[in-house]
Amino acid sequence: EIVLTQSPATLSLSPGERATLSCRASQSIRNYLAWYQQKPGQAPRLLIYDASNRATGIPARFSGRGSGTDFTLTISSLEPEDFAVYYCQQPFTFGGGTKVEI
Amino acid sequence: QVQLQESGPGLVKTSETLSLTCTVAGGSMTSYYWSWIRQFPGKGLEWIGYTYYSGSTHYNPSLKSRVTISVDTSKNQFFLNLTSVTAADTAIYYCARIVGASAFDIWGQGTMVSVSS
Repeated sequence: EIVLTQSPATLSLSPGERATLSCRASQSIRNYLAWYQQKPGQAPRLLIYDASNRATGIPARFSGRGSGTDFTLTISSLEPEDFAVYYCQQPFTFGGGTKVEI
Repeated sequence: QVQLQESGPGLVKTSETLSLTCTVAGGSMTSYYWSWIRQFPGKGLEWIGYTYYSGSTHYNPSLKSRVTISVDTSKNQFFLNLTSVTAADTAIYYCARIVGASAFDIWGQGTMVSVSS
């Protein structure tokens, strides 16, 4: 089973700052990686698929990159609504999540 | 706009079968894969399995002996059966649509299922 490790577990930032989240796979997953945002009481929302493609309606401040085993989600300038938990996912396991907090 | 809605009992007794339905509204099930995912109280997410609209399925190996996912495209619904449940199966259960290689682009709101004796 492929294991996804996300770091850091918690990221403490202020609105306007840049957020960089990491996801590392235990073996190569090519570009088969997605990122999700989850807010309390809501289902996860797809942000990025195939490592770097923004899903429909996702703002341009969200970007993903990487291939093989190392992937990054970047939020270029945090908006108040971006403070949430972020998960990476490959077929078919999820990482443990990174909480982006104020 | 496609929307998904889970339904089913919120409480299941230990050793019994958990049965959930996902209703797909606002679009066709044709040519898509449809999945069940659960989220434990500690927030970890676990993929349970998926079905193609034609009925072919694939399950998480850790759950394969207890899971059945089926589909009824005439009703725009797909289903989850999980047998011999224990407290460890207590979670929020989501249904979702798969796009591309494996991304879940549309999710239901989730339904909390508790397992208790």
